[in-house]
Amino acid sequence: DAGVIQSPRHEVTEMGQEVTLRCKPISGHDYLFWYRQTMMRGLELLIYFNNNVPIDDSGMPEDRFSAKMPNASFSTLKIQPSEPRDSAVYFCASSTVTRGNNQPQHFGDGTRLSIL
Amino acid sequence: RKEVEQDPGPFNVPEGATVAFNCTYSNSASQSFFWYRQDCRKEPKLLMSVYSSGNEDGRFTAQLNRASQYISLLIRDSKLSDSATYLCVVNRGYSTLTFGKGTMLLVSP
Repeated sequence: DAGVIQSPRHEVTEMGQEVTLRCKPISGHDYLFWYRQTMMRGLELLIYFNNNVPIDDSGMPEDRFSAKMPNASFSTLKIQPSEPRDSAVYFCASSTVTRGNNQPQHFGDGTRLSIL
Repeated sequence: RKEVEQDPGPFNVPEGATVAFNCTYSNSASQSFFWYRQDCRKEPKLLMSVYSSGNEDGRFTAQLNRASQYISLLIRDSKLSDSATYLCVVNRGYSTLTFGKGTMLLVSP
């Protein structure tokens, strides 16, 4: 079975540019999560969706960050304009609930973002 | 107090050794607990869930102490391939998880 698919794997761009990260969750999973990982702060939840609806975006750092989930198989995380402090690894994860129990989250390979 | 706290390590152990990691969490209402493993420059992967009664999966044993709000992971007979960062994970809300920063394990020949 295909896991969570993220693209691109690596992105290097200059500050001020728009960055778009993409994610395809595991088929049948109704929860999708965007995380950011840095050495200093570890893995931080940015936003999550349930059935394509954003539920909690309190982790989104500022208005420069936005996320959408137009359908059950696709989500984007956009940074506009990008800044050097946005450099990090961005992970997408998906999960579901089975018989009332939260199932573990499955992560994509991540996007390594470097803003110069 | 941080939501999930772990000793960052690194723990340096020889092959065959037994090593244990602890993790404390602050939210007493948490109901789901996991250990994830993350290899260098890779994504976190589920190692095992942690159940109230404790559970074992081969060389790995996880335990939960709700009264003291800590979780442990014991690795017996360490292998070189066990070298990784181990993330303690606790549910924050119904669907969301809080990840610790991880404990690094280095197993040497």
